[in-house]
Amino acid sequence: GENVEQHPSTLSVQEGDSAVIKCTYSDSASNYFPWYKQELGKRPQLIIDIRSNVGEKKDQRIAVTLNKTAKHFSLHITETQPEDSAVYFCAASKGTYKYIFGTGTRLKVLA
Amino acid sequence: DADVTQTPRNRITKTGKRIMLECSQTKGHDRMYWYRQDPGLGLQLIYYSFDVKDINKGEISDGYSVSRQAQAKFSLSLESAIPNQTALYFCATSDSYGGPNTGELFFGEGSRLTVL
Repeated sequence: GENVEQHPSTLSVQEGDSAVIKCTYSDSASNYFPWYKQELGKRPQLIIDIRSNVGEKKDQRIAVTLNKTAKHFSLHITETQPEDSAVYFCAASKGTYKYIFGTGTRLKVLA
Repeated sequence: DADVTQTPRNRITKTGKRIMLECSQTKGHDRMYWYRQDPGLGLQLIYYSFDVKDINKGEISDGYSVSRQAQAKFSLSLESAIPNQTALYFCATSDSYGGPNTGELFFGEGSRLTVL
């Protein structure tokens, strides 16, 4: 069945360093790849997404890259700040309606 | 502000009891979802609905049922709760209208269910 693998499960970085989270999906028909951030005790919220006709997308300190051949996409956070500490989820879907989520990465930014 | 509201936010119940979690939204979205969140397992899709007459099973529908009472309301039922259904449950909505936010999931605040 459809599957999304996400690594690492936990990630600690020093404030100001970069963080990279990687996801691999199984369904080659997937064409939409969002990333959600969930702060402690809060609901998940979309931070960035990418569609399969684009290889990279950037929004300030956050960027996502997509390699369709390898069925792999990654989230890059530069100049990390304490408020970036959260759990990050990747997801993949065909169209924009049924999402399969990864298992999440707990990012800790150390001051 | 348009939002997604879940009730109850916390519930403790006993094995074998029937439980209903309710979700209502004022975002005007046509699509609604129920997800379950367990530590280390991410968000797993239980059921999703594209409109009032369209209900679909997700990855982990066994032991759950849903009802889409109106476009704005989508409830999740556990007919006979068991301890391994202890989890955080999220309702979410999205739209299919083709605007810039089409596809984005908007989550409720979550309902924490404990089955003893």
